[in-house]
Amino acid sequence: GAGVSQSPSNKVTEKGKDVELRCDPISGHTALYWYRQSLGQGLEFLIYFQGNSAPDKSGLPSDRFSAERTGGSVSTLTIQRTQQEDSAVYLCASRASRQGRYTFGSGTRLTVV
Amino acid sequence: GQQLNQSPQSMFIQEGEDVSMNCTSSSIFNTWLWYKQDPGEGPVLLIALYKAGELTSNGRLTAQFGITRKDSFLNISASIPSDVGIYFCAGQLGYNTDKLIFGTGTRLQVFP
Repeated sequence: GAGVSQSPSNKVTEKGKDVELRCDPISGHTALYWYRQSLGQGLEFLIYFQGNSAPDKSGLPSDRFSAERTGGSVSTLTIQRTQQEDSAVYLCASRASRQGRYTFGSGTRLTVV
Repeated sequence: GQQLNQSPQSMFIQEGEDVSMNCTSSSIFNTWLWYKQDPGEGPVLLIALYKAGELTSNGRLTAQFGITRKDSFLNISASIPSDVGIYFCAGQLGYNTDKLIFGTGTRLQVFP
């Protein structure tokens, strides 16, 4: 596609429920990143994919967070047993190569009530 | 997670004024980037800096990569209302993942 697409754009969930956030990167972009932006804060790195593998998961805050990427394209970020502190905007970015520019999606705003 | 020190946190200025913001880090970066984020959108790249000491302009924007590789600044000249938004610096380590480390952001408000 023309840009990075994320869905849903907004998600409200009850504490304790699981949620899945989806990212469709730009076609052909091999690198995909997930970031989290809490209210009034900068972006915090979560995980990086190169193709379908994740060489860097160092930013995932707990084992309730996981992500996968299939077909070198779509990625899903899953948060299990959501907590109120998980409320944030989750942003996905892709790039064509290590020399390429990042392109960010518009994010999924997650609210845990 | 790790974040860069960015200042000021917020700025309220009159249209036509110049603006300056900066980022500092305890770590050395190979690349410095400046992004702008509008409400409900992801960050959009404004300027990328690749060499220590580099000074780069993009229209009314000018940014510099500090000589120590631990800092960068962004200047906006003759501000206009559409400059409103949040500006983020980001450093790129250039190791295996090239992940970005972001600053805490500068919220800019421009009054006509």
